[in-house]
Amino acid sequence: KAGVTQTPRYLIKTRGQQVTLSCSPISGHRSVSWYQQTPGQGLQFLFEYFSETQRNKGNFPGRFSGRQFSNSRSEMNVSTLELGDSALYLCASSARTGYGYTFGSGTRLTVV
Amino acid sequence: DQQVKQNSPSLSVQEGRISILNCDYTNSMFDYFLWYKKYPAEGPTFLISISSIKDKNEDGRFTVFLNKSAKHLSLHIVPSQPGDSAVYFCAASHGGSQGNLIFGKGTKLSVKP
Repeated sequence: KAGVTQTPRYLIKTRGQQVTLSCSPISGHRSVSWYQQTPGQGLQFLFEYFSETQRNKGNFPGRFSGRQFSNSRSEMNVSTLELGDSALYLCASSARTGYGYTFGSGTRLTVV
Repeated sequence: DQQVKQNSPSLSVQEGRISILNCDYTNSMFDYFLWYKKYPAEGPTFLISISSIKDKNEDGRFTVFLNKSAKHLSLHIVPSQPGDSAVYFCAASHGGSQGNLIFGKGTKLSVKP
């Protein structure tokens, strides 16, 4: 059974640009959560989606947005990138909201 | 304001001995606690969890203890093995949802042969 797939694995962007990260959950999983990991702040919750609906949102500025498609794949978008957005972005999926989340390997975003 | 704290950034233990990783929390509404293990360049892997209605949960070499009055939990690994060397994250949730986890900043465990 394939795990949670995040693409791309690595990304370098320039300040002011925007970026879109993709997450394909485990087949059959309808719940997807996103986290940001930085050395200073650790792992911080960004969003949670279930059946295309955002169920929870973390304490991040409006530049961070996400969505989930009918096939449960999810994307997150960061606009007007700042140096501080450099981080590992992790996606996790579950068969139903709230339980048994499996994480992907993440997308390493570097903003220069 | 950090709701989940892992005050030891690192821990070094000899192979075969016990590893004890600690975690403190401030939010009394948390009702579910989890431990994740993370290797470099990989996502966190779920290890073990405990509900707030219990004070101990065991799974093989891993045992989690919860002291609600002290708002403290700990992960015991016995015996420790070199393959256990990784960063360990404590996480908490409330309202029955693990889709929104509050993580500690992690403790890097090194198990020396």
